[in-house]
Amino acid sequence: GAGVSQSPSNKVTEKGKDVELRCDPISGHTALYWYRQSLGQGLEFLIYFQGNSAPDKSGLPSDRFSAERTGGSVSTLTIQRTQQEDSAVYLCASSPTFGAYEAFFGQGTRLTVV
Amino acid sequence: SQQGEEDPQALSIQEGENATMNCSYKTSINNLQWYRQNSGRGLVHLILIRSNEREKHSGRLRVTLDTSKKSSSLLITASRAADTASYFCATNPSGTYKYIFGTGTRLKVLA
Repeated sequence: GAGVSQSPSNKVTEKGKDVELRCDPISGHTALYWYRQSLGQGLEFLIYFQGNSAPDKSGLPSDRFSAERTGGSVSTLTIQRTQQEDSAVYLCASSPTFGAYEAFFGQGTRLTVV
Repeated sequence: SQQGEEDPQALSIQEGENATMNCSYKTSINNLQWYRQNSGRGLVHLILIRSNEREKHSGRLRVTLDTSKKSSSLLITASRAADTASYFCATNPSGTYKYIFGTGTRLKVLA
């Protein structure tokens, strides 16, 4: 595709419900990143995928958070039993591979837990 | 935890002036990148500097890197109202594959 695509653009969910956020990276990009950004804050690293290697999950804040990347392309970030503190913009980025390459960001999913 | 911290947190200047933002980080790095974010959504890549480089230019942007001080600076010359945005540095810590972002500088350029 032309760029990194994330869906939905906005999501409002009730506390305690599960949500799935989707990221379609740029075709051919093997590296994929998820970040979380709370209002007015910097980006918090969540997880990194590189090709078929084991993902770096060191940034996931709790076991309620998980992510998959199927077929080395589309990625889904799942948050179980959502809490109000999960409200944030979730940003996905991809790059051609790991290394000195720029990361291309999607427009993010704004998650609001009520 | 955040690797980088930008300074200042907010900056307001007149159009035509230069804007300088600083980034400090904590661990050794492979490279450092600067990004711009408009309206709190997607980020746009501005420039990448490798750990063995000291200075890079791109148009009106000039980035310096001092690995001994673990700091970088972004200079925007002849600023324009369209440069109004948040600017983030992102470091790739040595031995890792991830990019850690700083807290950002909110730049406002007044016409």
